[in-house]
Amino acid sequence: LAKTTQPISMDSYEGQEVNITCSHNNIATNDYITWYQQFPSQGPRFIIQGYKTKVTNEVASLFIPADRKSSTLSLPRVSLSDTAVYYCLVGDGVDNFNKFYFGSGTKLNVKP
Amino acid sequence: DSGVTQTPKHLITATGQRVTLRCSPRSGDLSVYWYQQSLDQGLQFLIQYYNGEERAKGNILERFSAQQFPDLHSELNLSSLELGDSALYFCASSVVASGGAGTDTQYFGPGTRLTVL
Repeated sequence: LAKTTQPISMDSYEGQEVNITCSHNNIATNDYITWYQQFPSQGPRFIIQGYKTKVTNEVASLFIPADRKSSTLSLPRVSLSDTAVYYCLVGDGVDNFNKFYFGSGTKLNVKP
Repeated sequence: DSGVTQTPKHLITATGQRVTLRCSPRSGDLSVYWYQQSLDQGLQFLIQYYNGEERAKGNILERFSAQQFPDLHSELNLSSLELGDSALYFCASSVVASGGAGTDTQYFGPGTRLTVL
């Protein structure tokens, strides 16, 4: 089963770039890597998804090395409103089933 | 607003009781997922349905069951409730259940907060 490992928490200051790394040593060939953001008492919200190399959208970038055993979510110039828990999601392609295991999540605290 | 609705928002009940949580997916989404999130814990995947059929099972207890109806809404039934079942229960939906996780963006509902006294 694909399992992810993330730092439990990170601190940053407004305006800084934040990089959160997720390890997923058992990622399957067909699996994509997806990151979600969750505010307290709300459902997670999709941030970005990628398969390899680099993906960028209006809110974040995702860097994936060639071996795909890890990925890094990059948040440019964070603000206080980016304080949230960030989850790295890698599915299990074994037996052709989709099994969605969220990582432990990284609690990002952005300070003024 | 993700387009996924969950009812009720809050539910307070006693140990040993049975409750039903309801989820309506986004229009056009065929897959429904259920997750449990205990206080300050990560999301635990419970079960997935695709177009009415069970697709994948996660850490779902035998006391829990779910189904997806022809109109694609889903219900999660929790029985013989214990104090430890108190948690936020999220429903999510996606368009299809493809061959690799992560290829289907999940849209989460606002959750149902269950309190077992």
